[in-house]
Amino acid sequence: GESVGLHLPTLSVQEGDNSIINCAYSNSASDYFIWYKQESGKGPQFIIDIRSNMDKRQGQRVTVLLNKTVKHLSLQIAATQPGDSAVYFCAEMGGSNYKLTFGKGTLLTVNP
Amino acid sequence: DADVTQTPRNRITKTGKRIMLECSQTKGHDRMYWYRQDPGLGLRLIYYSFDVKDINKGEISDGYSVSRQAQAKFSLSLESAIPNQTALYFCATSRLAGNEQFFGPGTRLTVL
Repeated sequence: GESVGLHLPTLSVQEGDNSIINCAYSNSASDYFIWYKQESGKGPQFIIDIRSNMDKRQGQRVTVLLNKTVKHLSLQIAATQPGDSAVYFCAEMGGSNYKLTFGKGTLLTVNP
Repeated sequence: DADVTQTPRNRITKTGKRIMLECSQTKGHDRMYWYRQDPGLGLRLIYYSFDVKDINKGEISDGYSVSRQAQAKFSLSLESAIPNQTALYFCATSRLAGNEQFFGPGTRLTVL
């Protein structure tokens, strides 16, 4: 069946280091892959998306990489800050109905 | 971000009670969604609506119903609440043709 999952449930990094959060997906027909950040007590917040015909996209301090050969998605956060501490979800979107299918999330903890 | 609001923010109820969760948005978006989040799991789609006259079931619609009263309002009802509906519920909105969904702050529902 279709699924979006994560390799690691938790990730702990030192402030200033780069973080890499990984995600595996199984639906090759998805049109977009999206990363959301969820801080404690809040709803998810869009970070960045990547279209299925791209392999890399950069935003402010974040880069998303898409490897369709192995169905793998990653989010790289440069110079991780305490404010980056949150749960990060990958999600996939496909078809004309714009429905999101979320993965289970990775908890990122940034140590000062 | 007060653009998407949810009421109530917390609710404790008993098995068998009827519960309504409300969502309002000032973003002017046509599309609205209801998700459920359980510990250790990603968000799962309950229902979605692409305009006032359009209602669609999501991944886990059993035991839930929705009403799109206006473009800005989308409510979720549990006709007869059961304990396994204890969860965090999120409303979200999106533009007619956009990948980014904007989430409300969530409603924590406990069914005893």
